Amino acid sequence: AQKVTQAQTEISVVEKEDVTLDCVYETRDTTYYLFWYKQPPSGELVFLIRRNSFDEQNEISGRYSWNFQKSTSSFNFTITASQVVDSAVYFCALSELNTGTASKLTFGTGTRLQVTL
Amino acid sequence: ETGVTQTPRHLVMGMTNKKSLKCEQHLGHNAMYWYKQSAKKPLELMFVYSLEERVENNSVPSRFSPECPNSSHLFLHLHTLQPEDSALYLCASSQELAGGGSYNEQFFGPGTRLTVL
Repeated sequence: AQKVTQAQTEISVVEKEDVTLDCVYETRDTTYYLFWYKQPPSGELVFLIRRNSFDEQNEISGRYSWNFQKSTSSFNFTITASQVVDSAVYFCALSELNTGTASKLTFGTGTRLQVTL
Repeated sequence: ETGVTQTPRHLVMGMTNKKSLKCEQHLGHNAMYWYKQSAKKPLELMFVYSLEERVENNSVPSRFSPECPNSSHLFLHLHTLQPEDSALYLCASSQELAGGGSYNEQFFGPGTRLTVL
């Protein structure tokens, strides 16, 4: 069975600090995708990134970066120079192999990030 | 409007009421999803519709009844709910290949906050 673990329930940092959100996953599939979503207080999940299991290159997008390590089944997310607007709940998710005609995501329990001045 | 919209945003209902949640996607996607988000629990996938056919029903109680009249609209009909059904109900959509095998990101609506008294 697929499983996503986000061990950090809540993280609190001061603005401009760097912060890393951990994500560890379990799957028997050789082909899979990993995702990160952001959920601000408004409630809507905002897509941040999708990474396939064959691409272990790290990715950087502005202040966001992702470290995919297949050897440790981890897909960690780092925010550099955090800002108050980064305060949200962040979810890591794993996509199962399609057995039907639509993708299925297994989500972690989320990490609540609080950035203060 | 753009993206995925959900109405109402907030709903309070008694256990004997019948109500419906509505979701509309303006992205031209062919798959739609209902999720339940309860406090301190991972997002739970409830139903998946692909090309207007239900392809997933995760052992959801019959007091929840989905309806997908076309690829842009998704409803969740509620009747005789229990207090433990109080949660944030999220709708999502994605573009999937007809033969399966895609892992496209899902785009989420802002959710309906449901309270059952």
